[in-house]
Amino acid sequence: GAGVSQSPRYKVAKRGQDVALRCDPISGHVSLFWYQQALGQGPEFLTYFQNEAQLDKSGLPSDRFFAERPEGSVSTLKIQRTQQEDSAVYLCASSAFRTGGNEKLFFGSGTQLSVL
Amino acid sequence: KQEVTQIPAALSVPEGENLVLNCSFTDSAIYNLQWFRQDPGKGLTSLLLIQSSQREQTSGRLNASLDKSSGRSTLYIAASQPGDSATYLCAVRGRSGTYKYIFGTGTRLKVLA
Repeated sequence: GAGVSQSPRYKVAKRGQDVALRCDPISGHVSLFWYQQALGQGPEFLTYFQNEAQLDKSGLPSDRFFAERPEGSVSTLKIQRTQQEDSAVYLCASSAFRTGGNEKLFFGSGTQLSVL
Repeated sequence: KQEVTQIPAALSVPEGENLVLNCSFTDSAIYNLQWFRQDPGKGLTSLLLIQSSQREQTSGRLNASLDKSSGRSTLYIAASQPGDSATYLCAVRGRSGTYKYIFGTGTRLKVLA
């Protein structure tokens, strides 16, 4: 596609509800990142995929957070039993190159999650 | 642990001014550094990427420099315009073996017409 697409754009969840956030990266991009951004803060790293392999999940805040990219393209970030502190904007980014060379990141517009 | 700091947190300038945004990082062993722009309610747009072996990169009115030894990067914006109003973030990636980018908290820029 023309850019990184994320859906839904906004999500309101009741505390305890499970949510799934979708990311469609730019076609052919090898690398995919998930970030969490709180209001007024910089993005915080959650996890990284290289094709379908999840190479780094050190930023996932708890075992309630789970991400997958089964076919090396679309990725889903799932949050189980949502809590109020999960409220944030979730950003997805992709890049063309694995390592070395130009690693310019392309970000989606994000999913704003509000947990009531 | 890598920490990235951006100063100032906010900046308001009249149109036409040249300005400098600062980014500092605590671990100089970086792979590359990127500067991004974020408009309200939007994702981030990559402006410039500097590899660790490079000293600077230029794109139009933007120039970014990198001094690894001192752990600093600056983003220079020439002849600022109201359309430059946004939050500017820098992010660093550590040496090979790590893929994540560590972001600063950003500088909110407002250019007054």
